Amino acid sequence: GESVGLHLPTLSVQEGDNSIINCAYSNSASDYFIWYKQESGKGPQFIIDIRSNMDKRQGQRVTVLLNKTVKHLSLQIAATQPGDSAVYFCAENTGGFKTIFGAGTRLFVKA
Amino acid sequence: GAVVSQHPSWVICKSGTSVKIECRSLDFQATTMFWYRQFPKQSLMLMATSNEGSKATYEQGVEKDKFLINHASLTLSTLTVTSAHPEDSSFYICSASDGITSGANVLTFGAGSRLTVL
Repeated sequence: GESVGLHLPTLSVQEGDNSIINCAYSNSASDYFIWYKQESGKGPQFIIDIRSNMDKRQGQRVTVLLNKTVKHLSLQIAATQPGDSAVYFCAENTGGFKTIFGAGTRLFVKA
Repeated sequence: GAVVSQHPSWVICKSGTSVKIECRSLDFQATTMFWYRQFPKQSLMLMATSNEGSKATYEQGVEKDKFLINHASLTLSTLTVTSAHPEDSSFYICSASDGITSGANVLTFGAGSRLTVL
């Protein structure tokens, strides 16, 4: 069935470096995508979102890029900090509020 | 911003017993809430959509008689794991949207409830 997946299960970066987390999706009809951050033992927390009529959106230290041609999403974190260590999920909104999650990438930030 | 509260945060029960998990929207009303299940080191799997005043909509492969959902008010949804077995041990997370925070389609998640069935 339709799914949202990730290329890299883990990512290790040096503190201060930029991080790039990638995600592939398969439902070409999806028109809304969200990145969530989940810390250990907690529920996911919203980071940034993007609609399919956009290819880039920026937030505070984060940028999401959307390439609809190849069905690819990425999350860029600038100047990665130890507090950014978590699992990051891309998610796909399939209508209303129903949200389907991708596989997730664990980000390790080395001090 | 929107806050979703879950209770209990963790629970241990014996095999064969039933466990109820509550999900509350604290500062907004939610006609729809979503229940997810997460196994260790895995993603969140959508189990069902909880609809206030009507039956829940279950995802394919999720047993509705096993996972009873009740959404009796605009601020409370409950998930009851009936006749729990060790394979039901998991992290259960609920979510809802206030339709305002960061866009109408963004979900706010509870902190999750970790169920361990002995």
